[in-house]
Amino acid sequence: GQQLNQSPQSMFIQEGEDVSMNCTSSSIFNTWLWYKQDPGEGPVLLIALYKAGELTSNGRLTAQFGITRKDSFLNISASIPSDVGIYFCAGTNYGGATNKLIFGTGTLLAVQP
Amino acid sequence: NAGVTQTPKFRVLKTGQSMTLLCAQDMNHEYMYWYRQDPGMGLRLIHYSVGEGTTAKGEVPDGYNVSRLKKQNFLLGLESAAPSQTSVYFCASSYYGETQYFGPGTRLLVL
Repeated sequence: GQQLNQSPQSMFIQEGEDVSMNCTSSSIFNTWLWYKQDPGEGPVLLIALYKAGELTSNGRLTAQFGITRKDSFLNISASIPSDVGIYFCAGTNYGGATNKLIFGTGTLLAVQP
Repeated sequence: NAGVTQTPKFRVLKTGQSMTLLCAQDMNHEYMYWYRQDPGMGLRLIHYSVGEGTTAKGEVPDGYNVSRLKKQNFLLGLESAAPSQTSVYFCASSYYGETQYFGPGTRLLVL
């Protein structure tokens, strides 16, 4: 099945550093979502984007809906140890026949205190 | 408001045994989904439902059945478990498919 290309696959950073990750698709979406999954838990929604070019923040997190509608970006500023986890992007065409989410392959983030 | 809950949290089965995973949501969501998550494979959609009494196949439906008799519940059944079904299963729900909210997962080991 289709999966979105997410990069980088993993990041190992020092506490306080900023983080950037992105997600690309071969097809366009009208909705982009970013989730975080802690070890042993289910994915938790971080940010939802509904419009091309939209820039949305949630605390230290900022995400952007790419102008081409085929990509999205997530930035985390001033990382802290609790940012550790796997970050997934997901795209969908809300209002379509099934509204199924297509998930990215995930970015594993490790933060060194 | 508990959100999305899943029962059980962990289960061990022998090959050929059957079981049912229960997902419940208290957010009055119309859509519900079952995913499996395997290392290196990400989240893959098994079955989904767009409303009470409806079900549809996802990306990897073989070996699974589902039922949505009540709006708040979505059941995933394994009739004859196989080792290939060892995985972590996640349920999710959404109002009308826009943003999905996930449960904590059920870890299944088939021996």
